[in-house]
Amino acid sequence: TQLLEQSPQFLSIQEGENLTVYCNSSSVFSSLQWYRQEPGEGPVLLVTVVTGGEVKKLKRLTFQFGDARKDSSLHITAAQPGDTGLYLCAGAPTGNQFYFGTGTSLTVIP
Amino acid sequence: NAGVTQTPKFRVLKTGQSMTLLCAQDMNHEYMYWYRQDPGMGLRLIHYSVGEGTTAKGEVPDGYNVSRLKKQNFLLGLESAAPSQTSVYFCASSYGGGGGTYEQYFGPGTRLTVT
Repeated sequence: TQLLEQSPQFLSIQEGENLTVYCNSSSVFSSLQWYRQEPGEGPVLLVTVVTGGEVKKLKRLTFQFGDARKDSSLHITAAQPGDTGLYLCAGAPTGNQFYFGTGTSLTVIP
Repeated sequence: NAGVTQTPKFRVLKTGQSMTLLCAQDMNHEYMYWYRQDPGMGLRLIHYSVGEGTTAKGEVPDGYNVSRLKKQNFLLGLESAAPSQTSVYFCASSYGGGGGTYEQYFGPGTRLTVT
């Protein structure tokens, strides 16, 4: 069992559709991060959320941190083929030891 | 700036062989990390360092050793490779730890196969 569980594991949608990816834990995090990884490359940071209930928007991407700081969600509006990739949540519940989620592989079909 | 670089990019080892993976960063970051990535499991932290001369165990440290003799370099060693260590290895660095608030910058990865 991993500290951060993501759902769904795989998602294949048509261009223009909306989607939501979930990141859940039984532990409390002081902050959570979302990364996107493309094939053959390392992850790249999208956003960091630090306050319970916080909502951050990055163009068509909306990130929310749960009130209890145990979960987070990523919502993409009108998905585009360029959104294709592996989405990973990550956090450090204690000290500097980082945990990454299990990942959500998104494919957007033109 | 090159950011975070990893050497080598690919390697095939036989069971029992040893090797060292090199990570270098040119951003003067204090923190450095080694992860492994396996299908369906995201990234798992192997070891990390909060500064030159310091190292600490992560989630999956068994079978690996690390050293941080210079601030810009973080080495990951496999003393006796096993097939279970077949994976993609990523190095990352960050300015600070801060309970997960600092951005981690990742290298391009090393694909290791142990036969």
